[in-house]
Amino acid sequence: QSMLTQPPSVSAAPGQKVTISCSGSSSNIGNNYVSWYQQFPGTAPKLLIYDNDNRPSGIPDRFSGSKSGTSATLGITGLQAGDEADYYCATWDNSLSAGVFGGGTKLTVL
Amino acid sequence: VLLQESGPGLVKPSGTLSLTCAVSGASITSDNWWSWVRQPPGMGLEWIGEIYRSGVTNHNPSLKSRVTISIDKSNNQFSLRLSSVTAADTALYFCARVCFEGGHRPTSGYFYSYYMDVWGKGTTVTVSS
Repeated sequence: QSMLTQPPSVSAAPGQKVTISCSGSSSNIGNNYVSWYQQFPGTAPKLLIYDNDNRPSGIPDRFSGSKSGTSATLGITGLQAGDEADYYCATWDNSLSAGVFGGGTKLTVL
Repeated sequence: VLLQESGPGLVKPSGTLSLTCAVSGASITSDNWWSWVRQPPGMGLEWIGEIYRSGVTNHNPSLKSRVTISIDKSNNQFSLRLSSVTAADTALYFCARVCFEGGHRPTSGYFYSYYMDVWGKGTTVTVSS
């Protein structure tokens, strides 16, 4: 089991907004910054959000991140068919002294 | 910055998986960590471990006894060795550059910024006889 818990799947219609949650504990999310990744099948993950709410250059502002306590959230507005992918949260775990990923969430654009 | 994984695509059970990640466009002696992540077929991402330019490493506790990560400064690359492999080690293996910084708060202790900003395309390793 992953140290970070994500819903297996979410779905929404084109143009709508969707949120993906990532739940952890005080040893990981509660004390550290969270990053988010987008992955299409058979390809490498791509950094979407780092340090909870920062976007690397080139990432549209339709993607946003937030954190509260031991949970983090990825938001995607103006959904497009091209957003259909798997999304992962990640952070450092102080107790394990290791990086940890969420189990991943499959986004379906209806 | 580009990362490129290489190594055998097929490893026999009980053997050792060996992969190399060649780094171009950046120095492996820069202030970054260099990591390995894998993804079994149809499953999520699993963090394997990482190495710093000094040779210091961190490993996934569930794999620690089988994992060796090393750095080759002369060739600007780093490597992964995973011993005693089984079919459960069949996966798509990625290398990635890690941005890893920390600090200390008097009230809550150490905190870290940790994310992977550049990834290799990945290489598939199958464990089978």
